[in-house]
Amino acid sequence: AQSVTQLGSHVSVSEGALVLLRCNYSSSVPPYLFWYVQYPNQGLQLLLKYTTGATLVKGINGFEAEFKKSETSFHLTKPSAHMSDAAEYFCAVSDTYGGSQGNLIFGKGTKLSVKP
Amino acid sequence: GAVVSQHPSWVICKSGTSVKIECRSLDFQATTMFWYRQFPKQSLMLMATSNEGSKATYEQGVEKDKFLINHASLTLSTLTVTSAHPEDSSFYICSARVGLAEDTQYFGPGTRLTVL
Repeated sequence: AQSVTQLGSHVSVSEGALVLLRCNYSSSVPPYLFWYVQYPNQGLQLLLKYTTGATLVKGINGFEAEFKKSETSFHLTKPSAHMSDAAEYFCAVSDTYGGSQGNLIFGKGTKLSVKP
Repeated sequence: GAVVSQHPSWVICKSGTSVKIECRSLDFQATTMFWYRQFPKQSLMLMATSNEGSKATYEQGVEKDKFLINHASLTLSTLTVTSAHPEDSSFYICSARVGLAEDTQYFGPGTRLTVL
């Protein structure tokens, strides 16, 4: 069975500092990996995804994540935090891509706070 | 962009009553809609997958007679929590998928249900 672990339910950084949100997964098959962001009172929005190919993927708002198979990780980073990045971030894994059933497995989420 | 709405955004009800939550795709037709439940500090857990005009497929452990899902059109799905009890209090999130790939899944803002 697949699972996702997000280390740290709450991360706080200063504006301009590096953002690092950790995600580790377990999967018996090559995984498809996703990061979502949820702003207050809004639905989850897809930040970026890894399906195949280049292991460093770039997403919206300057975020990127690197798939490291040997470490079973898909950490999310941003070089310089902005106040508008404050939100909750969810990592998700799927064992299929384009299947007819919902099969996204989510982590518990990490709340990012950005201090001025 | 694709927008999914949920109504109501929050609801409080007495134990034993039924509550209906609506999920609408506002600017696209969704081939598939999903319902998730999220307990505090926990992951989003998929409850069921529904395709327009078909019976919903429920995940293991989800009572289909308690959580009634109707997907009457390509833009509307409803979740009815029947005979609600305090343990049903949770955050319910729907999503709608326009294609087959996981990254074409768009999420609603969620509905907070509190059962007294």
